[in-house]
Amino acid sequence: GAVVSQHPSWVICKSGTSVKIECRSLDFQATTMFWYRQFPKQSLMLMATSNEGSKATYEQGVEKDKFLINHASLTLSTLTVTSAHPEDSSFYICSALLAGSGELFFGEGSRLTVL
Amino acid sequence: AQTVTQSQPEMSVQEAETVTLSCTYDTSESDYYLFWYKQPPSRQMILVIRQEAYKQQNATENRFSVNFQKAAKSFSLKISDSQLGDAAMYFCASRNTGGFKTIFGAGTRLFVKA
Repeated sequence: GAVVSQHPSWVICKSGTSVKIECRSLDFQATTMFWYRQFPKQSLMLMATSNEGSKATYEQGVEKDKFLINHASLTLSTLTVTSAHPEDSSFYICSALLAGSGELFFGEGSRLTVL
Repeated sequence: AQTVTQSQPEMSVQEAETVTLSCTYDTSESDYYLFWYKQPPSRQMILVIRQEAYKQQNATENRFSVNFQKAAKSFSLKISDSQLGDAAMYFCASRNTGGFKTIFGAGTRLFVKA
């Protein structure tokens, strides 16, 4: 199956700093990628839809200035958590839509811990 | 609006037995996909099985099968001959065919007893 890679898999940062998480589709082109947030023992909450070459579409309640998404190429989307605070600590998961198949492929996830 | 409901926070099954995980959904669309995903302790989401709403036949993948009741908006997952490796969180999800958003249920944690 198609492969989606996320990096880093875990990151610890100080409060007030910014952190960038990358999501790459390794063997297919993804015009649409998605970013999810998952709290412990909870479901995946869709944060935003990332479209190649255009602005991301954010879900209600998600701060676009806090969570910057860039989808500059057909294989890469990035999520930048700006001025991170402890409440931003979470597991972030990206997924990419394989066009034509309707199937989503997920990255391994990135655990962010803000001290 | 799309919603997906999983009413069983946890389920337990004896190894080699069969277990059924429940899921109900709601959508105003006539064409959509339904999915079951598995999330093991590694947190990597794995697609277990997928059903297109226009297909009446229930999807089957080896030991995994679904009972898709479109009128009742029900989409349960049956795991036969349960194995220790089946222990994980299972998420039911839906996506409208014309859209891109995949909406997930709250999840069911499955324990498999040896």
